[in-house]
Amino acid sequence: NAGVMQNPRHLVRRRGQEARLRCSPMKGHSHVYWYRQLPEEGLKFMVYLQKENIIDESGMPKERFSAEFPKEGPSILRIQQVVRGDSAAYFCASSPSAGLAYNEQFFGPGTRLTVL
Amino acid sequence: GQSLEQPSEVTAVEGAIVQINCTYQTSGFYGLSWYQQHDGGAPTFLSYNGLDGLEETGRFSSFLSRSDSYGYLLLQELQMKDSASYFCAVNMNRDDKIIFGKGTRLHILP
Repeated sequence: NAGVMQNPRHLVRRRGQEARLRCSPMKGHSHVYWYRQLPEEGLKFMVYLQKENIIDESGMPKERFSAEFPKEGPSILRIQQVVRGDSAAYFCASSPSAGLAYNEQFFGPGTRLTVL
Repeated sequence: GQSLEQPSEVTAVEGAIVQINCTYQTSGFYGLSWYQQHDGGAPTFLSYNGLDGLEETGRFSSFLSRSDSYGYLLLQELQMKDSASYFCAVNMNRDDKIIFGKGTRLHILP
């Protein structure tokens, strides 16, 4: 059973370009979460999605950032017109919709975004 | 706002026991989780406390006191491979986001 997959693992963009980060959850998981981690910092929640629905986007900047989790295919985190401050590791996590009494999230390997 | 406080760094000797404390102030609370992250790696789940008391999983134990908004992670028989960052995290609801602390970097000396 493959774990959470993220690609690309490393992404370099110049200021003003778009960054597109992909996440495929574990098989059978219908909940996807995106987090951002700066060096020496904890993970900051960005957005929580279920298939075709954004459940909570309270951690996502209002401008330039968007996320989707379509009926078919991976979840996408899209950053438009990137700036140097967007450089960070972006982690995706997934969890099953039912089963455990608590939310154990399984993390992907992350995408390291560098903005030049 | 939401805040979780944990020490930024802890150093211990191989074979010893170490405790990492966490206090939290959040607008909601469903349970307290602990995650481990090695340098350059992904966070991995270690334990969860939904009720007060101690949960034991092998060499790792975790404790929660909801009335004190406090928990800790206890690592026994430390091994060099335990060198990593450890994050306490508040589960806001059963399926909702997790709020992470800034992490405690554990250094283990031979």
